[in-house]
Amino acid sequence: DAMVIQNPRYQVTQFGKPVTLSCSQTLNHNVMYWYQQKSSQAPKLLFHYYDKDFNNEADTPDNFQSRRPNTSFCFLDIRSPGLGDAAMYLCATSRGEGGHTDTQYFGPGTRLTVL
Amino acid sequence: GQNIDQPTEMTATEGAIVQINCTYQTSGFNGLFWYQQHAGEAPTFLSYNVLDGLEEKGRFSSFLSRSKGYSYLLLKELQMKDSASYLCAVRDSNYQLIWGAGTKLIIKP
Repeated sequence: DAMVIQNPRYQVTQFGKPVTLSCSQTLNHNVMYWYQQKSSQAPKLLFHYYDKDFNNEADTPDNFQSRRPNTSFCFLDIRSPGLGDAAMYLCATSRGEGGHTDTQYFGPGTRLTVL
Repeated sequence: GQNIDQPTEMTATEGAIVQINCTYQTSGFNGLFWYQQHAGEAPTFLSYNVLDGLEEKGRFSSFLSRSKGYSYLLLKELQMKDSASYLCAVRDSNYQLIWGAGTKLIIKP
């Protein structure tokens, strides 16, 4: 089945220790998104790639970086995690072919704990 | 600013019908989405509305009124597995998704 995969599902890191979360997709979608979601809050868009074009949200901290080496994979790097970065990180994809029905499909998420 | 409003929490009984409302103020409108999110899991797509009216998908229906900036998600024949958060999201004029915080739906036997 075509899908969005995130690894690991649960990640524990120490304060200040760099961590990388990964996302892959078999949908062959052009656009990949990274969201941060804290408990009972709306997902917050961090950045997205349209193919290789990187789009950073204005309020995304510099501590967060992303890489998309190819169509299928996208990585989220947190350079120096703080306690406030503990959250669920969601990867999503969409076709990005324009039109009103461009739906985002989500991976299962990675729950990040910062000790 | 852009804003999506949904009730924080609702409670309903198994087998009943529940309506979850969403009002929005956004810069432009290019469609409204409803997603279901079970605790600790990712959102899953439920429905999409871009024209006024009702879209029906099995037990779930979604309604849109663009002039009122209003949508609702109607869930019929509620099942225990419907206990989840329901998120409303609007695509604005820049094709960015603006998300509500979600409505936590509790189903009681």
